[in-house]
Amino acid sequence: DSGVTQTPKHLITATGQRVTLRCSPRSGDLSVYWYQQSLDQGLQFLIQYYNGEERAKGNILERFSAQQFPDLHSELNLSSLELGDSALYFCASSVDPGQNSPLHFGNGTRLTVT
Amino acid sequence: AQSVTQPDIHITVSEGASLELRCNYSYGATPYLFWYVQSPGQGLQLLLKYFSGDTLVQGIKGFEAEFKRSQSSFNLRKPSVHWSDAAEYFCAVGARSNTGKLIFGQGTTLQVKP
Repeated sequence: DSGVTQTPKHLITATGQRVTLRCSPRSGDLSVYWYQQSLDQGLQFLIQYYNGEERAKGNILERFSAQQFPDLHSELNLSSLELGDSALYFCASSVDPGQNSPLHFGNGTRLTVT
Repeated sequence: AQSVTQPDIHITVSEGASLELRCNYSYGATPYLFWYVQSPGQGLQLLLKYFSGDTLVQGIKGFEAEFKRSQSSFNLRKPSVHWSDAAEYFCAVGARSNTGKLIFGQGTTLQVKP
């Protein structure tokens, strides 16, 4: 068990809808990362938050947004969903972005858009 | 462009045989390199990492990897594979300033024959 909790485990929704994925980082970790894993794109970095502030952005669509709350949990919001958004979304956490701070991954949220 | 290539999508080895998974990277600066393993329905688990120093790094579960700068490679090895090693393996590269923002390879699926 990595200590990173993601909810829900599975999500099925229709095109055009909006969903929220939640992540609770490991106790003591200040940095949260979101990754998307899809069959055609593989594992891609989406966005990172550190202690409540956005730290880095990757290949995140404008329809997607995220935030990290004061209690350090994070939410990834996906809107105007398309079939191509179907993927496994991982959250990971670390103490800080430094080299001695490995990533701990949650088990992911599988999103299916129909 | 920064990228990671895992040339083998699928590898099958017999239990007890040796294993080598290939990884080549393209990265402008000195890379930080990682190998992760993903079992079905699970998140990614860090096997080992290379930051600097000895180019042969030891990881968990009996895995090791060798960094070869001249070949831009970071191949993963295990002398004797166990059935429980069947999983998907990902090579990744990160920056010194933010080792959580990773670029992943497409992954290699390992099947172990009894």
